[in-house]
Amino acid sequence: NAGVTQTPKFRVLKTGQSMTLLCAQDMNHEYMYWYRQDPGMGLRLIHYSVGEGTTAKGEVPDGYNVSRLKKQNFLLGLESAAPSQTSVYFCASRSGGANEDTQYFGPGTRLTVL
Amino acid sequence: DAKTTQPNSMESNEEEPVHLPCNHSTISGTDYIHWYRQLPSQGPEYVIHGLTSNVNNRMASLAIAEDRKSSTLILHRATLRDAAVYYCILRDHYNQGGKLIFGQGTELSVKP
Repeated sequence: NAGVTQTPKFRVLKTGQSMTLLCAQDMNHEYMYWYRQDPGMGLRLIHYSVGEGTTAKGEVPDGYNVSRLKKQNFLLGLESAAPSQTSVYFCASRSGGANEDTQYFGPGTRLTVL
Repeated sequence: DAKTTQPNSMESNEEEPVHLPCNHSTISGTDYIHWYRQLPSQGPEYVIHGLTSNVNNRMASLAIAEDRKSSTLILHRATLRDAAVYYCILRDHYNQGGKLIFGQGTELSVKP
C-alpha cells in the first residue's frame, strides 16, 4: 500500500496563476481532508469530503476549490494564486468506520506563490 | 471544538522517559483526546487517542486525569527519532466529518 500520496511535491507559481494539487489514497477510505501549514503554525483545515461526490468547507476555505469525483482522489484547486497561499499543503484520509478514527497524512506539497 | 493548551517546547535526554502535558479544561463528555506528532519535513502521524481510561500502544501511553481536564502523553524511552512537534487535539465523537483542529503543539527535542 502506498497510503496517501500527493502530487506535486514542490511548485512555484506566479500571482494569478492556477493549479491543482492531487491527493490519492489506496486504503478505500471514505473521508479525505486538505490542510495547510504556515511556518511555525499548526495545520488548518481548508476543505474536506465525507465520501465520493461530497465536499465541505473547513476553517480557511477562501481562495480554494475541491472536487471528489472518485473515492480515491481529492483535488485541491487554486484558481488565482496569491502570495498569502504560500504554504505547505497536506492531504489526509480516514476510514470512517465506527471504531476507526485515525487520519493518515501524505508527505505534503510545498507551494510558493511569487 | 474545545481548546487545548500545551507548552511550546520541551527537552529530553535520549533513553529517558518523556511526559508531554496537555490541558483541556473545557473538554466535553463526547470529546476524545487525540495525539499526533509531526517529524521534521513530514506530515503528521497518529500516536494515540483515548476517552476516559489510560491507553497504551507500541508508540506511547496516554494518561488521562480523572476529571479529564488534562492528559499526559508518555514516551517511555525517548530516542532521537522522537524529536518532533506533538499535537494534543480534542475531537468531538459526533463531529461531522471527523475534523481535527490543530494548535501549535509542543516541540520536543531529544539530546543524545
